[in-house]
Amino acid sequence: DQQVKQNSPSLSVQEGRISILNCDYTNSMFDYFLWYKKYPAEGPTFLISISSIKDKNEDGRFTVFLNKSAKHLSLHIVPSQPGDSAVYFCAASVTNFGNEKLTFGTGTRLTIIP
Amino acid sequence: DAGITQSPRHKVTETGTPVTLRCHQTENHRYMYWYRQDPGHGLRLIHYSYGVKDTDKGEVSDGYSVSRSKTEDFLLTLESATSSQTSVYFCASHPPGASGYGYTFGSGTRLTVV
Repeated sequence: DQQVKQNSPSLSVQEGRISILNCDYTNSMFDYFLWYKKYPAEGPTFLISISSIKDKNEDGRFTVFLNKSAKHLSLHIVPSQPGDSAVYFCAASVTNFGNEKLTFGTGTRLTIIP
Repeated sequence: DAGITQSPRHKVTETGTPVTLRCHQTENHRYMYWYRQDPGHGLRLIHYSYGVKDTDKGEVSDGYSVSRSKTEDFLLTLESATSSQTSVYFCASHPPGASGYGYTFGSGTRLTVV
């Protein structure tokens, strides 16, 4: 039972355009949502997060949107750059006395075309 | 100065042999995790620790055990390796209450069971 789903295994975007990565979840108890970026042969690195009490969080070129009624979140990257080519994982957690077990999606491979 | 170091980075082992993967963190983080990454599955939680000698199972714990005798070290043991345990293993850590700030991940161990 996949509680966090990324239905697009891959996405190609022209450099300078907007990249939109999508994620759906089923567990209404999730209260934090995060995006991680992963390059080959490296561990995932934290990119941006959003609390369930918000609907938008922005950090430079990266914005995450949360639609709780649809159980959907998206990551927007504007403008897209070649260094953004990586695998992006959506993750979610339920706050539990400081323990933040993350449930990950299957990932979307983003390729930025120069 | 990597916050988390995993060893070995690569290992090939034979079916039926025990294998221990090591994770060492210098962040003094209380919480530590072992995940495995497989195509089509994203990252799945194997075991986690919420303090020295305090561990618990994740969603794919069968065939694995863990130990944490010191804050900085978290060991993952495959009791009798099988081909289905061929995967990339990631260790991660975070301090209490890190909701929204994400984990620190190691660079991973690529394990092949032949």
